[in-house]
Amino acid sequence: AQTVTQSQPEMSVQEAETVTLSCTYDTSESDYYLFWYKQPPSRQMILVIRQEAYKQQNATENRFSVNFQKAAKSFSLKISDSQLGDAAMYFCAYRSYGGSQGNLIFGKGTKLSVKP
Amino acid sequence: EPEVTQTPSHQVTQMGQEVILRCVPISNHLYFYWYRQILGQKVEFLVSFYNNEISEKSEIFDDQFSVERPDGSNFTLKIRSTKLEDSAMYFCASSAGTSGALQETQYFGPGTRLLVL
Repeated sequence: AQTVTQSQPEMSVQEAETVTLSCTYDTSESDYYLFWYKQPPSRQMILVIRQEAYKQQNATENRFSVNFQKAAKSFSLKISDSQLGDAAMYFCAYRSYGGSQGNLIFGKGTKLSVKP
Repeated sequence: EPEVTQTPSHQVTQMGQEVILRCVPISNHLYFYWYRQILGQKVEFLVSFYNNEISEKSEIFDDQFSVERPDGSNFTLKIRSTKLEDSAMYFCASSAGTSGALQETQYFGPGTRLLVL
């Protein structure tokens, strides 16, 4: 079974600085998707970024980018120019490629604080 | 931008009572999911639903749980006899299809906070 591990329960960053959140996963599959979701205090789950495992190019969405290392099974999220609104729980998630195994497998999350 | 909606936002119920949580997925999406998050813990998969039937369920999704798509828009989760440990945030999600990351991305509703007393 696949597992997702986020080893940093909490992280802190100064406003305008850069922070990297770690995620590792375990799978025997070769094709899959990886996601980062943000959960602010309202507790809504908001998609931040997604990555297809067959793409070598790292995904980027504005200030958010990932460092996807398939061989190492690592999928870290980099937030550049951190803003106060980035403060939230961040969850890394894994999804098998297509078929019936469509459920997301989440890590335990990293709580990010942004200091003004 | 289309979004997943859920009602109610909060529900308080007595142990043993039945509750129905409602979701309206994004209109052209074909795959629907329920997840739950006990306070302070990670999000856990409950069930997925496609073509009017359950496609996958977790061990959490026992006989006390059921899902239904009663019409063309709503997707419901019913808990027949609630327990204290059912207190959690329940998220509905939907995705468009199974071809490519964009299609397979799941979009979440704002959640229903269920408290069982």
